[in-house]
Amino acid sequence: NAGVTQTPKFQVLKTGQSMTLQCAQDMNHNSMYWYRQDPGMGLRLIYYSASEGTTDKGEVPNGYNVSRLNKREFSLRLESAAPSQTSVYFCASIRAPYNEQFFGPGTRLTVL
Amino acid sequence: DQQVKQNSPSLSVQEGRISILNCDYTNSMFDYFLWYKKYPAEGPTFLISISSIKDKNEDGRFTVFLNKSAKHLSLHIVPSQPGDSAVYFCAASAPGTYKYIFGTGTRLKVLA
Repeated sequence: NAGVTQTPKFQVLKTGQSMTLQCAQDMNHNSMYWYRQDPGMGLRLIYYSASEGTTDKGEVPNGYNVSRLNKREFSLRLESAAPSQTSVYFCASIRAPYNEQFFGPGTRLTVL
Repeated sequence: DQQVKQNSPSLSVQEGRISILNCDYTNSMFDYFLWYKKYPAEGPTFLISISSIKDKNEDGRFTVFLNKSAKHLSLHIVPSQPGDSAVYFCAASAPGTYKYIFGTGTRLKVLA
């Protein structure tokens, strides 16, 4: 039981490049989330998927797109990376509301 | 607009003493609150939660108190141990949403 896995662990991009961050969970959870963590800003919600087939914007969605590929997988895409997107990205999942979230280990992204 | 605030960026406590971490929120619709602990280079892990129908929840050394009229919650750790040194985040959720809003975090250092 791996929990929530994220790939890659580290990535360096140049401004304007695109990339997709992958997230998968094996706990049969219904809802999945993408957050970014920046110094002094805490964890900010980018997008979430309440259930398979649905996605919604969070607090900071600009510059990102998401795909809920199936119940297990939720990917985050940066179409044209900007230095302001340098951050640590965390994926999380929950079985149902009023439950705790389980987080992945994070992806550290640097945009030059 | 920061809906969940942790006004103390850092806190130092002697081993064996009580650690008190505070969190304030502005949205009166929030009815479920959680605390997470985060070590460097790892994802946050769930610590304890409380529903708005309660004012206290205990789990071993950890107790969360909720004061709805003040829109304030606190996490008490007794006794504090060096292994508790981490960043602590509070989070809140409103009914009918799948969104969890996090505070900016408090770095706790427990001194041996």
